[in-house]
Amino acid sequence: AQSVTQLGSHVSVSEGALVLLRCNYSSSVPPYLFWYVQYPNQGLQLLLKYTSAATLVKGINGFEAEFKKSETSFHLTKPSAHMSDAAEYFCAVSHTGGFKTIFGAGTRLFVKA
Amino acid sequence: DTAVSQTPKYLVTQMGNDKSIKCEQNLGHDTMYWYKQDSKKFLKIMFSYNNKELIINETVPNRFSPKSPDKAHLNLHINSLELGDSAVYFCASSLRQREGKDTQYFGPGTRLTVL
Repeated sequence: AQSVTQLGSHVSVSEGALVLLRCNYSSSVPPYLFWYVQYPNQGLQLLLKYTSAATLVKGINGFEAEFKKSETSFHLTKPSAHMSDAAEYFCAVSHTGGFKTIFGAGTRLFVKA
Repeated sequence: DTAVSQTPKYLVTQMGNDKSIKCEQNLGHDTMYWYKQDSKKFLKIMFSYNNKELIINETVPNRFSPKSPDKAHLNLHINSLELGDSAVYFCASSLRQREGKDTQYFGPGTRLTVL
């Protein structure tokens, strides 16, 4: 079975500050890991994904995430927050042969001016 | 061109009514999904279809019946609507979910309100 835990349902940062959104996963098989973003009143869109190639994954809008097997983590970072980053962020896990992607509960990012 | 589209965007109805939500994708994907997002933003998969075949049915009440007339369409029909069905319903698609690593593309959502 697979699961995802996102630490912190809400994260608030100042514009220009570092963004760190935490995600830990549980999986009995090698995982594929995703970060999706949901802007208000929109569907989810992919930010980045880890598919067993490089452990440091770069995504859109300056975001990146690092897969750490020893820590079962896939935290999302961005060096400098922008007001337009305010959104809901979802970490998700799946695996080869599985038709189901498991989503975390989401973290709402607030960016203060 | 919209990759994954859903209609309607908003649906307000009375308890006990029957309603349908339609979804279409023009990405040529094999796999389509229905998700339910509750008021706390928790996203839960309901159904998954691969090449028109039902793959996942996540203990959803049988009042919910998906139908996939072809690979590009996955509709959701809901009978005898209840207050607890109020949520945002998202359709999504992916190329080959058996691979596990394919990106899912989401529609804009249908906000269902049951009064």
